[in-house]
Amino acid sequence: DQQVKQNSPSLSVQEGRISILNCDYTNSMFDYFLWYKKYPAEGPTFLISISSIKDKNEDGRFTVFLNKSAKHLSLHIVPSQPGDSAVYFCAASGAGGTSYGKLTFGQGTILTVHP
Amino acid sequence: NAGVTQTPKFRVLKTGQSMTLLCAQDMNHEYMYWYRQDPGMGLRLIHYSVGEGTTAKGEVPDGYNVSRLKKQNFLLGLESAAPSQTSVYFCASSRRPPFGELFFGEGSRLTVL
Repeated sequence: DQQVKQNSPSLSVQEGRISILNCDYTNSMFDYFLWYKKYPAEGPTFLISISSIKDKNEDGRFTVFLNKSAKHLSLHIVPSQPGDSAVYFCAASGAGGTSYGKLTFGQGTILTVHP
Repeated sequence: NAGVTQTPKFRVLKTGQSMTLLCAQDMNHEYMYWYRQDPGMGLRLIHYSVGEGTTAKGEVPDGYNVSRLKKQNFLLGLESAAPSQTSVYFCASSRRPPFGELFFGEGSRLTVL
């Protein structure tokens, strides 16, 4: 039972354009959402997060949107750069007291930004 | 500024052999985790620890054991390796929630023949 789903295995975008990566979740107890970026032969690195009390969080070129009613979040990268080419994982966490920081990850989306 | 360090980086085992993966963090984090990454599956939690001397099962704990004898170290053991345990293993650590950011190591690629 995949509680966090990234239905697009890959995405190809031209440099300078917008990249939109999508993520859906099924567990209504999730209240904190994160995006991680992973380059080959490296560990995932934290990119941006959003709490369930917000619907948008912005950090430079990266913006995460949360639609709680649809159980959907998205990551926007504007403008996209070739260095953004990586695997992007969506992750979710439940209520802090009982979740112990455990994250449930989606399958990942491979983003390729062409020069 | 090492962060989270995993050893070894690569290992090839024969079915039935045992081994231990070591994770060390220098950020004084309370929580530590072991994940495995398989194609098309994302990262799945194997075991985790909320403090020295404590461990708990994650989503896919079968065939693995863990120990957290020191706060900075979290060991993952395979007592009798199986081909299904061929994977890339990631260790992570975090401060006590509600801060949800996990810091990951570079990964350990294990192949079981």
